[in-house]
Amino acid sequence: QQQVKQSPQSLIVQKGGISIINCAYENTAFDYFPWYQQFPGKGPALLIAIRPDVSEKKEGRFTISFNKSAKQFSLHIMDSQPGDSATYFCAVGGGSNYKLTFGKGTLLTVNP
Amino acid sequence: ETGVTQSPTHLIKTRGQQVTLRCSSQSGHNTVSWYQQALGQGPQFIFQYYREEENGRGNFPPRFSGLQFPNYSSELNVNALELDDSALYLCASTTGLRGANYGYTFGSGTRLTVV
Repeated sequence: QQQVKQSPQSLIVQKGGISIINCAYENTAFDYFPWYQQFPGKGPALLIAIRPDVSEKKEGRFTISFNKSAKQFSLHIMDSQPGDSATYFCAVGGGSNYKLTFGKGTLLTVNP
Repeated sequence: ETGVTQSPTHLIKTRGQQVTLRCSSQSGHNTVSWYQQALGQGPQFIFQYYREEENGRGNFPPRFSGLQFPNYSSELNVNALELDDSALYLCASTTGLRGANYGYTFGSGTRLTVV
């Protein structure tokens, strides 16, 4: 059973455009929803995270939108830049969990 | 303040051998978790150590074991290596019993190839 479903698998965006990546989860006990960014040869780096008591969180060009009733959350990257080209992972955690469960990742390519 | 350091960066082992991977956690962090990331996949939780005790384990067989030392550094040991163990092994540190909820700092990983 896949607890976190991430889409799309890959995404190509023009410089200055908006990148949108979506995640859906199943277990309502989760209460921590981070997004990680991973460059080749590096470990994942925490980009932004949200708790379910808010529906949106913005940090610079990165925004998480959270829909508790639909059990979905998404990452929006505004004014996408070539330097944003990386693999993005959503994850879920919290409740009695000691771990993060990751999605399968989205390879984002931002063309100049 | 240093980040999470892992060694070695790359390793090639033969099927059936044993391997030890090492991790130095970020200063001030007392929780260490290990993840396995297969090519093209998201990281999968192996186990977590909090103050030198394992307090969470994922769906990995007992031949995956670990240690956390008093300085909160950690080791991941894998016995009887199988070809499917080839992956990037990530160490992540944070604080608190339920470490995942407080934001991990990941290392750059050890790329293990089993031949």
